Amino acid sequence: DVKVTQSSRYLVKRTGEKVFLECVQDMDHENMFWYRQDPGLGLRLIYFSYDVKMKEKGDIPEGYSVSREKKERFSLILESASTNQTSMYLCASAPGLAGGLGETQYFGPGTRLLVL
Amino acid sequence: QKEVEQNSGPLSVPEGAIASLNCTYSDRGSQSFFWYRQYSGKSPELIMSIYSNGDKEDGRFTAQLNKASQYVSLLIRDSQPSDSATYLCAVRESSASKIIFGSGTRLSIRP
Repeated sequence: DVKVTQSSRYLVKRTGEKVFLECVQDMDHENMFWYRQDPGLGLRLIYFSYDVKMKEKGDIPEGYSVSREKKERFSLILESASTNQTSMYLCASAPGLAGGLGETQYFGPGTRLLVL
Repeated sequence: QKEVEQNSGPLSVPEGAIASLNCTYSDRGSQSFFWYRQYSGKSPELIMSIYSNGDKEDGRFTAQLNKASQYVSLLIRDSQPSDSATYLCAVRESSASKIIFGSGTRLSIRP
């Protein structure tokens, strides 16, 4: 079974703090993703990575950065947390296909972040 | 901005009936379509994928795709209370590798 784990289920941070969210997958997948999920807005892609040290902006990258130093680990960084970044953050991984991303995304359990 | 639209619901269906979930998408060139199920407080899990026009059946689930109408649906036969969840439609963009998710339809199966 594919396993995607996230470092925290719940997190409370103060405005202006630097926040690190960690994601680890154990299936040697090339592709990893960070989404946020908000009521009525669905899943929105923040960043994704198709290889170590590679990253691509998603639809809402502002205020976020990512790091992928190892294949199994993809980190999301909130440089200076703001209240509008309060959300559920979901990490996903997918196997690679030649010339594109894998079809099936496997999601981690999510991190519910509250920024006060 | 390419879009995937779903009725947010809630859709209430009696146990044993057929639940019908619908989704429309704006990118005419899309080739890959997915249905994910998300239980409250849990992460999404893939239940169906479909790539060509017509029906694809897997147990009690049937996905239907009509590319001309840019429409994809999910039918759940013999609905069970355990089917109560939010169902997310997802479409892979034709021009990129991203998958765009709809905001989901909340389904409630009443005993």
